[in-house]
This record gives sequence, C-alpha cells and structure tokens, in this order.
Amino acid sequence: DADVTQTPRNRITKTGKRIMLECSQTKGHDRMYWYRQDPGLGLRLIYYSFDVKDINKGEISDGYSVSRQAQAKFSLSLESAIPNQTALYFCATSDSTGGPGQETQYFGPGTRLLVL
Amino acid sequence: QQPVQSPQAVILREGEDAVINCSSSKALYSVHWYRQKHGEAPVFLMILLKGGEQKGHEKISASFNEKKQQSSLYLTASQLSYSGTYFCGTESDTGRRALTFGSGTRLQVQP
Repeated sequence: DADVTQTPRNRITKTGKRIMLECSQTKGHDRMYWYRQDPGLGLRLIYYSFDVKDINKGEISDGYSVSRQAQAKFSLSLESAIPNQTALYFCATSDSTGGPGQETQYFGPGTRLLVL
Repeated sequence: QQPVQSPQAVILREGEDAVINCSSSKALYSVHWYRQKHGEAPVFLMILLKGGEQKGHEKISASFNEKKQQSSLYLTASQLSYSGTYFCGTESDTGRRALTFGSGTRLQVQP
C-alpha cells in the first residue's frame, strides 16, 4: 500500500462548486503540505501544517482552505472553484524528528483537477 | 521568492554529462533536489546543508556554494532513466519553514 494517498486521483468540476481533495499518510510524519503544479511553474506551496494545530499559508493560498483532521489526514478545499485552479495537486509529508536538514518530502500520486 | 533554475531544458545523448544550477537571492539553510518523471510524483534525490558540502548518489552528485547561495546538480554518464524534470527546493536560513521550489529543469536523455 502507498504511504501517501490522495483522493480523488482525477476530478472534473464546474465553476463555483466547492470541492475537497483529501490526503492520508501512513508514514507517521508530523508535517504535511499541499502543492499545485502548473506547466512551467514548478511546485508552488498552497498550505502547510507542521502539526495538527500548526497550519500556515504558503505562497498561493488565496481561494483555498485546509483542514488537518488528524496527524495522518490533511484536506484541501476549494471554496468556489474557478478555471484557473485547474492544475495537478500534490500532497507531501515530512518527518521533523530527524533533525535539521533531514526532512525528505514524500509526495502522494497527485490529483488532477479540471475546473470548467 | 522562487529559486532560479538553469537551464530550463537540456537534451543529452546516453553517456553525456549535465549540470543543473539552482540560485537563490536569499541566504539558504538547505537545498533539496527532486526528480519527477512524466505523470508521476516528485522523488527525493538529496539534501545539502549550508556549509558548502557535496553529496553523491550513484552517478548523481551535488554541491552547495554558501557564498553564492547556489547549488549545482551533476549528472555523469547519463542513462535513459535519468530523463525527467529536476526541481530544487530551497529552505531559507531565516525563519526556516517550508521549501520553495524552482520551476524545474527538463532533462531528456536520448539513445
């Protein structure tokens, strides 16, 4: 079984709809992240959570919200989807207990979202 | 602020070498390198910490020049399996929080 899972893997929605992307991990990591990937722009950070009570905005948080329901679960919501939120979304996890500079990020398989 | 990667794309023949650079305008604590194959998730390659260290991983190695705030990824004797997009992620030395990724370097190795 995959350590970091994302559901759904593909989603088509209409402008104005609210949708939720979910991420679960079995790695026991304390930190979780949401990124979006657009062609030519690399990975851009939307939100990140260093533990259940520590949630932070990333560089492109407008139009998104998150919920860290448990250490293993981190959900991303688009309150009112718009076409320019069409992208590939990745969840990632890392473990802070290994010390400075040891935080490898492990990525989920991605969710491909199309907003019509 | 996003680190700048260069080149944006490179095409190699099997066995050739390549260098991918990652530069930041900020003082860095660490640089992370990831590779993403088409249609897949990014996969970790290595982390370098400030202090100007070098690391190696099979035929892929990297260096971090703290004075220049620049990291370079070296791919030697390239193989077809090296094809993909390479991303650097940087962690600022002040208020260290999350990584900021560059826009990527697309590497294609041809037979």
